[in-house]
Amino acid sequence: QKEVEQDPGPLSVPEGAIVSLNCTYSNSAFQYFMWYRQYSRKGPELLMYTYSSGNKEDGRFTAQVDKSSKYISLFIRDSQPSDSATYLCAMSFSGGYNKLIFGAGTRLAVHP
Amino acid sequence: NAGVTQTPKFQVLKTGQSMTLQCAQDMNHNSMYWYRQDPGMGLRLIYYSASEGTTDKGEVPNGYNVSRLNKREFSLRLESAAPSQTSVYFCASSEAEKIPYGYTFGSGTRLTVV
Repeated sequence: QKEVEQDPGPLSVPEGAIVSLNCTYSNSAFQYFMWYRQYSRKGPELLMYTYSSGNKEDGRFTAQVDKSSKYISLFIRDSQPSDSATYLCAMSFSGGYNKLIFGAGTRLAVHP
Repeated sequence: NAGVTQTPKFQVLKTGQSMTLQCAQDMNHNSMYWYRQDPGMGLRLIYYSASEGTTDKGEVPNGYNVSRLNKREFSLRLESAAPSQTSVYFCASSEAEKIPYGYTFGSGTRLTVV
């Protein structure tokens, strides 16, 4: 079993839709949770990060962490064609060395 | 501001050939990483360097070697390429060893081994 599971999709939605992307994990020691966005033929770029449980909002993006369920989510409101990309979740332990464990990524297509 | 620069962008190798993937960052970051990305597998850590002068194995180190040449540069070497090493390779850097967020990635090297 992988430490971090993520549905690869693809997920296709119309412009303006609310998108929900999710990851589950098995190691309860993870404390830092991140979402990266990767456009085709580019490197991943950090979108959002949260520490421990709770929500974090940044514009149209909201990240949620539910440590009791070992489940994290990224919501995109009013999705745009420019949001079409692969979204990767990543996690890390508290303290210790800065080493991220990534999910496989979910491919999202937002069509006009 | 270039960030993380990887060369080459594309490469085709024959089985058994060797090559070195180059990575350089201009952000004065201490830590650098090499990942490979395969369909359905996500990003898997090959090697990392917490700071200049140190390197350690990641999840999938077999068949690879690395060199942290100086603070800016971190290279990945394939001594005898195999078709299983066909992948997209990403180099990344981060500001400090214990900050668990904020990797900056390069744009990748697409390697095909035939």
